[in-house]
Amino acid sequence: DQQVKQNSPSLSVQEGRISILNCDYTNSMFDYFLWYKKYPAEGPTFLISISSIKDKNEDGRFTVFLNKSAKHLSLHIVPSQPGDSAVYFCAASGTSYDKVIFGPGTSLSVIP
Amino acid sequence: DGGITQSPKYLFRKEGQNVTLSCEQNLNHDAMYWYRQDPGQGLRLIYYSQIVNDFQKGDIAEGYSVSREKKESFPLTVTSAQKNPTAFYLCASSTQVQETQYFGPGTRLLVL
Repeated sequence: DQQVKQNSPSLSVQEGRISILNCDYTNSMFDYFLWYKKYPAEGPTFLISISSIKDKNEDGRFTVFLNKSAKHLSLHIVPSQPGDSAVYFCAASGTSYDKVIFGPGTSLSVIP
Repeated sequence: DGGITQSPKYLFRKEGQNVTLSCEQNLNHDAMYWYRQDPGQGLRLIYYSQIVNDFQKGDIAEGYSVSREKKESFPLTVTSAQKNPTAFYLCASSTQVQETQYFGPGTRLLVL
């Protein structure tokens, strides 16, 4: 049973527009959430994180929003650039957890 | 120059053969992990280690073995019992298991 879900396997966005990647989780014990970006044949790289005490965290073009009541988080990329084309993994962990749980990923294509 | 390295980049395994994938980090991280990624799928946890001389099974440990004799090193052995070993293998490390993980570049294992 997937505890971290990314229901959109793929997403296409025009360059300059906003990309919104969604993630849902089932376990209310999760209190730390991360987004990773992965290019083909490379390891994922950490992008941005958010603690459950916040509802928003921003880093340049990347913003993560957390809605605890809905058990939902989203990653916004504005403006989208062709170099953002990659697979994005949502991940969750908690102080009472001994590992990080990854979602299945969403493949983002930014069209020039 | 701190980081996490994996070798080799490509590895070929013959039927009935055990192969070992290397993972080294100089980030002084206590926790290390092995994941497997199959085409179109997310990251699945094979084994993880919170501290030297200790490790736990992840979600798909069958057919794999690990050791953690040194803080810097967490080798993964793919045994002949693993019937479908062809995949992209990723090693990661973090200060603690709930913290942000940093990934190596990956090893692609192919069966001859």
